[in-house]
Amino acid sequence: GAGVSQSPSNKVTEKGKDVELRCDPISGHTALYWYRQRLGQGLEFLIYFQGNSAPDKSGLPSDRFSAERTGESVSTLTIQRTQQEDSAVYLCASSLMLDTQYFGPGTRLTVL
Amino acid sequence: SQQGEEDPQALSIQEGENATMNCSYKTSINNLQWYRQNSGRGLVHLILIRSNEREKHSGRLRVTLDTSKKSSSLLITASRAADTASYFCAPTGNQFYFGTGTSLTVIP
Repeated sequence: GAGVSQSPSNKVTEKGKDVELRCDPISGHTALYWYRQRLGQGLEFLIYFQGNSAPDKSGLPSDRFSAERTGESVSTLTIQRTQQEDSAVYLCASSLMLDTQYFGPGTRLTVL
Repeated sequence: SQQGEEDPQALSIQEGENATMNCSYKTSINNLQWYRQNSGRGLVHLILIRSNEREKHSGRLRVTLDTSKKSSSLLITASRAADTASYFCAPTGNQFYFGTGTSLTVIP
């Protein structure tokens, strides 16, 4: 497909476990973004990758959150020792520089 | 912060009426974008207006931009029930941030 894909679409985990969320951006898009959206709320910026530059991690809420991206390909967002407050939809988007962002369908994370 | 702030937070109108949402921001921008979100999933890009443009149209959408006031508005004309969604603005300069959105309900 030509769009942004994310996996899994839903993830239920127990408090304290680690989770890994995956994002496949649109081929050729140099920029990749991760956002968190709690139920009924707006988008919360987490991290931004642009090409081979150092990522902007200013939105990561704690050191339990980390993300990696190899080149201009797949990105993974890892949450260690999950807490119930981490329950949210995690959205990934990609773009060409600071142009239109194309969003994936999101991963709905539920921490029990 | 460059984050956009939408106003109102929630809007409810009858089908056929026009809906207007506003966005304010704080720093200089290269462009400003509007997105729509249905059912808490991925956002869909609606329209982009560049900093040197004042108005742009796309179908039933009309976007205005006033860089002197650091504000933008999104007008949806002849609204339909299918327009029910959350709408976000994203002022874009060196980075890209979304506001908290306007929740629009169009009543059939």
